[in-house]
Amino acid sequence: TQLLEQSPQFLSIQEGENLTVYCNSSSVFSSLQWYRQEPGEGPVLLVTVVTGGEVKKLKRLTFQFGDARKDSSLHITAAQPGDTGLYLCAGSGNTPLVFGKGTRLSVIA
Amino acid sequence: GAVVSQHPSRVICKSGTSVKIECRSLDFQATTMFWYRQFPKKSLMLMATSNEGSKATYEQGVEKDKFLINHASLTLSTLTVTSAHPEDSSFYICSARDYRKREGRNEQFFGPGTRLTVL
Repeated sequence: TQLLEQSPQFLSIQEGENLTVYCNSSSVFSSLQWYRQEPGEGPVLLVTVVTGGEVKKLKRLTFQFGDARKDSSLHITAAQPGDTGLYLCAGSGNTPLVFGKGTRLSVIA
Repeated sequence: GAVVSQHPSRVICKSGTSVKIECRSLDFQATTMFWYRQFPKKSLMLMATSNEGSKATYEQGVEKDKFLINHASLTLSTLTVTSAHPEDSSFYICSARDYRKREGRNEQFFGPGTRLTVL
């Protein structure tokens, strides 16, 4: 069974601070997705990483896929209240996606 | 990105009634759709994989007679919660896989979810 460990589970920070969310597994994934979910809504796809070592940037968000394609990180620079939400990583190796437990981020103004 | 719609967004029903939730891929064809359940402040729990033209594959512990899934076309899957009880109250989310995307990405796009409340 493929598992994704996501940490931290909860994070409360002040506006302007930086943070990193980690997603780790002992399994290799062919690709990994990061989603953000706001209360009462479905998850929205932020990025997909496919190649080991790949780094993708989405404005203040930086996503990295580990060289061995077993782990990934999400770094947010200068967090803003609008970044508040549940961040989910999901790995693709077999059907369907394997989800981490999520990181609930709260950015306080 | 690909768009997935879900209807209704909210439903309140009496115990013992059945509720049908629709999931549609609006701008792409989805041979595979997924149904998830989400409890408050928790991650998504996969209930079943819906395959167009064939029977759904249910995850362990999910009653297939309780949660009926039909994937009659390449753009529509339905989840029917039969004889609903208060413990079935939850947030149900569907997703669809877009195979048009570049190979290896295996991206799933999610609907906005349906909040079911059983009285």
